[in-house]
Amino acid sequence: GENVEQHPSTLSVQEGDSAVIKCTYSDSASNYFPWYKQELGKRPQLIIDIRSNVGEKKDQRIAVTLNKTAKHFSLHITETQPEDSAVYFCAASSILCYFGTGTSLTVIP
Amino acid sequence: DAGVIQSPRHEVTEMGQEVTLRCKPISGHNSLFWYRQTMMRGLELLIYFNNNVPIDDSGMPEDRFSAKMPNASFSTLKIQPSEPRDSAVYFCASSPSTGGSEQYFGPGTRLTVT
Repeated sequence: GENVEQHPSTLSVQEGDSAVIKCTYSDSASNYFPWYKQELGKRPQLIIDIRSNVGEKKDQRIAVTLNKTAKHFSLHITETQPEDSAVYFCAASSILCYFGTGTSLTVIP
Repeated sequence: DAGVIQSPRHEVTEMGQEVTLRCKPISGHNSLFWYRQTMMRGLELLIYFNNNVPIDDSGMPEDRFSAKMPNASFSTLKIQPSEPRDSAVYFCASSPSTGGSEQYFGPGTRLTVT
């Protein structure tokens, strides 16, 4: 089955700086890569996703990149704000969705 | 749309008791997933239904766990007998199609087994 690894497990940045979270996957059949944000005590919610036919996607302050050859994908958050503090999960999917172990992001005001 | 609905939101029970968690997916979604989330193991997929049929239950930890989906608008996850190590947050999620689409998570059920 698919194996998704996510790094780092924790990340602290100053408000206004950028944050980068990286994931790798093992199954070349995976073709859909969503990112979920989970605030404390809340449910995971999709913030951005990318499909295998696209190398990069941007939505305001967040962007994702995908390197299918290397089986790497990353989340980039620019101009971080305190409300970006949460746990972020990457995932890789063909039929089932396999989640990474999460990155706890803290944005320091 | 009300989104994915789960009940109860919190459940505290004693070891050995039966626990039933309930989920109502978003209308029109044909895929339903049950997940378990703990600090140690993260977000684990327990079982996946497509069109009410269990497709993959390889994540169900043991025979004490069972899940059903009698119709398109209702699913249950049952633990019998419950054990302290089952304490976790259990999420139900639904998706409009199989693979390659967003999963919409319910609010979760926080289960504590004492």
